[in-house]
Amino acid sequence: DTGVSQDPRHKITKRGQNVTFRCDPISEHNRLYWYRQTLGQGPEFLTYFQNEAQLEKSRLLSDRFSAERPKGSFSTLEIQRTEQGDSAMYLCASSLTGGNQPQHFGDGTRLSIL
Amino acid sequence: GENVEQHPSTLSVQEGDSAVIKCTYSDSASNYFPWYKQELGKRPQLIIDIRSNVGEKKDQRIAVTLNKTAKHFSLHITETQPEDSAVYFCAASISDYKLSFGAGTTVTVRA
Repeated sequence: DTGVSQDPRHKITKRGQNVTFRCDPISEHNRLYWYRQTLGQGPEFLTYFQNEAQLEKSRLLSDRFSAERPKGSFSTLEIQRTEQGDSAMYLCASSLTGGNQPQHFGDGTRLSIL
Repeated sequence: GENVEQHPSTLSVQEGDSAVIKCTYSDSASNYFPWYKQELGKRPQLIIDIRSNVGEKKDQRIAVTLNKTAKHFSLHITETQPEDSAVYFCAASISDYKLSFGAGTTVTVRA
């Protein structure tokens, strides 16, 4: 399977704990995106990378959130001091660069905060 | 920022009938409009997209129309089948990276 893969699929943690998610994009895609999806809503943009550079962050991405893509391949999204409101599906997508290339999504990581 | 509204929120159709989902967007600079299908517990899958220099695009039983003047675009599914049952999301982009999604339409195809 050469699609976008995310790990883990599910994460249950207690409030206040730190969590980290991983995304592996389609290999030839140099753009990588993170979105958050809550129940009954469409995905909301969080941030994106062009190769290893993080080029935009949404206001939704508080200072407890940090994303990295150190070698321009896989990316990690870390949430520190998790809160109840962080419970959501975190989706990763990737695309080629330029001209509104189609974004292809992974299956997501579902985060549940106890 | 871009605001995308999607209607209806739920849609039930008889197998073989057509389904139409409508979206409006707020920013006239939006130039890319993809549609995604998401089955329960699965990833959003791109099913069709349209760019602002095109008024209509068709792919087998699926078509999308765009009215830039009115700032709305629609998804048409003809000859619906049970496997078309899913949540459908429209999206719009004014940049070439950030998608703004509608809230989704749950489509149920009755056999």
